[in-house]
Amino acid sequence: DTAVSQTPKYLVTQMGNDKSIKCEQNLGHDTMYWYKQDSKKFLKIMFSYNNKELIINETVPNRFSPKSPDKAHLNLHINSLELGDSAVYFCASSHHQRDNNEQFFGPGTRLTVL
Amino acid sequence: GEDVEQSLFLSVREGDSSVINCTYTDSSSTYLYWYKQEPGAGLQLLTYIFSNMDMKQDQRLTVLLNKKDKHLSLRIADTQTGDSAIYFCAESRTGGNKLTFGTGTQLKVEL
Repeated sequence: DTAVSQTPKYLVTQMGNDKSIKCEQNLGHDTMYWYKQDSKKFLKIMFSYNNKELIINETVPNRFSPKSPDKAHLNLHINSLELGDSAVYFCASSHHQRDNNEQFFGPGTRLTVL
Repeated sequence: GEDVEQSLFLSVREGDSSVINCTYTDSSSTYLYWYKQEPGAGLQLLTYIFSNMDMKQDQRLTVLLNKKDKHLSLRIADTQTGDSAIYFCAESRTGGNKLTFGTGTQLKVEL
């Protein structure tokens, strides 16, 4: 039933570790996104993929590497985690042919780096 | 560059109307949106307006757009406790995939 799902919901890890967050959508959309929401609730786009191809990369550090194995999945791998990476990460999806660019969001993954 | 601003907090009494305001700088904005985020949850699209419109009504929600002043507002009529959440405005351009979000307004509804 779930339209955009993310795993895990919570992730607590030590500085320096490498971790991945997974995202899947069953809406038949061809574009997927990762957003970061910081502790002040400010929400900013990180990446966007269309048909498995990277189309937006908003000056995100190289430690973040998105991977899209197919149109329905967009995973986010983070190397050498830092304290400042602590945030809520949201995945979203849309259909690029819809002019209004309505994006559907997942429930978020709260990452805490200790 | 794009910049979208909102006031941080709004407190209203149950049953009153709430008006949440947003200003943006990108004159190329084509679509403007209002999203709702409840505690611990993702964002839910409430409504959107195309830039050639100045008003859109959807049940208790009324969106007003002043394109000249680059000002967007969301009015919630008969505000209920279930409306307590953070409300984000956002903008995008036609054919563009990027949503630029405002800073979010925390709406608190008091009994």
